[in-house]
Amino acid sequence: ELVLTQSPGTLSLSPGEGATLSCGASQSVRSNFLAWYQQKPGQAPRLLIYGASTRATGIPARFSGSGSGTDFTLTISRLEPEDFAVYYCQQYGSSLITFGQGTRLEIK
Amino acid sequence: QVQLVQSGGEVKKPGASVKVSCKTSGYIFSNYGISWVRQAPGQGLEWMGWISGHNGNTRYEQKVQDRVSMTMDTSTNLVYMELRSLRTDDTAVYFCVRHLIGVGGPYYFDSWGQGTLVTVSS
Repeated sequence: ELVLTQSPGTLSLSPGEGATLSCGASQSVRSNFLAWYQQKPGQAPRLLIYGASTRATGIPARFSGSGSGTDFTLTISRLEPEDFAVYYCQQYGSSLITFGQGTRLEIK
Repeated sequence: QVQLVQSGGEVKKPGASVKVSCKTSGYIFSNYGISWVRQAPGQGLEWMGWISGHNGNTRYEQKVQDRVSMTMDTSTNLVYMELRSLRTDDTAVYFCVRHLIGVGGPYYFDSWGQGTLVTVSS
């Protein structure tokens, strides 16, 4: 099983600051098939990024993804109040899908 | 627009079974697959398996493969997830999610149902 490890577990920042979230894989993710999701309390997750760096439809440009192989990053350039949520990475390069444990982005 | 609408919450006793439905609309059913993802209270996301809208083939995650069945009705574009021999640690919100189908299996999840809370308690 391909294990994804996200860091940090919790990130405390203020609106207007930049955020960097990391996702490390136990083995190389085939074709960089790595996605990022945002989840707010009581809601279903929402797709932000797929293919490691492609923004999903309607996702603001302040969200960007990068990385390859075993190391991936989600960057939020200037935090808006609505960005404070939990973020998950997911790999779909293996036939068995796995998620990271999540990073909670909270208001400082 | 793409919609995935799930059935309502369930309360079950340990050892019972539950069947959750997912009504899909707004896209060509056979071009996509449906996965099921669950989230225990306060916990992360856990993928359970998927079913192909093209041919009904299924693949289940090892942890639940002996207790889960995913089926579909192509006449109504409904997908079902049945979980048997329920345990208290099966208490979770269950989501159906849509995805394209790649050579190796599911792609990223681009549309999500609203979630169904299944509570297992004696």
